[in-house]
Amino acid sequence: AQSVTQLDSHVSVSEGTPVLLRCNYSSSYSPSLFWYVQHPNKGLQLLLKYTSAATLVKGINGFEAEFKKSETSFHLTKPSAHMSDAAEYFCVVRARYSSASKIIFGSGTRLSIRP
Amino acid sequence: DAGITQSPRHKVTETGTPVTLRCHQTENHRYMYWYRQDPGHGLRLIHYSYGVKDTDKGEVSDGYSVSRSKTEDFLLTLESATSSQTSVYFCAISDPGNQETQYFGPGTRLLVL
Repeated sequence: AQSVTQLDSHVSVSEGTPVLLRCNYSSSYSPSLFWYVQHPNKGLQLLLKYTSAATLVKGINGFEAEFKKSETSFHLTKPSAHMSDAAEYFCVVRARYSSASKIIFGSGTRLSIRP
Repeated sequence: DAGITQSPRHKVTETGTPVTLRCHQTENHRYMYWYRQDPGHGLRLIHYSYGVKDTDKGEVSDGYSVSRSKTEDFLLTLESATSSQTSVYFCAISDPGNQETQYFGPGTRLLVL
């Protein structure tokens, strides 16, 4: 079985400071892991994904995430926050090669950016 | 952006009435999905389709049915809407060659009074 926990429902940072959004997962099989971003009143957009290649994954808009199997974590980071990063972020887990019904979304982390 | 549209974008209806939401894609992707998004729950899968006339249930399928008569359209029907089905509904698509990456539509906001 798969599950995903986003450890913070809301994160607030100042513009120009680092961003850390935390995600822990569990999976019975080798997982694929994703981060999606949702801007207000918009659909979800893929930020990055991990599917068994390099453990440090670079995504769009300067975001990156590191797969740490020993810690069952896939935290999302960005060195310097921008006002346009304010959005909701979802961590997603899927057991590789499983059916489409085995895609599990986290409950989301709302990122606020202070001027 | 992937070519995915949803209609209507907003709908207000009354309890007990039938409602159909439409998802249309121009990407010729084989897989299509319907999710609902509720505060504190992230997205939960309602139904998905892996081809024309091939559908399967997701985590929260009770009270919903789907149909896919052609590749580009995936319909979600609430046979008799209830207030608990007030939500934002998202359609997504993916390609068998890259099944794990989903592309999302803009969403439909449904209010059941």
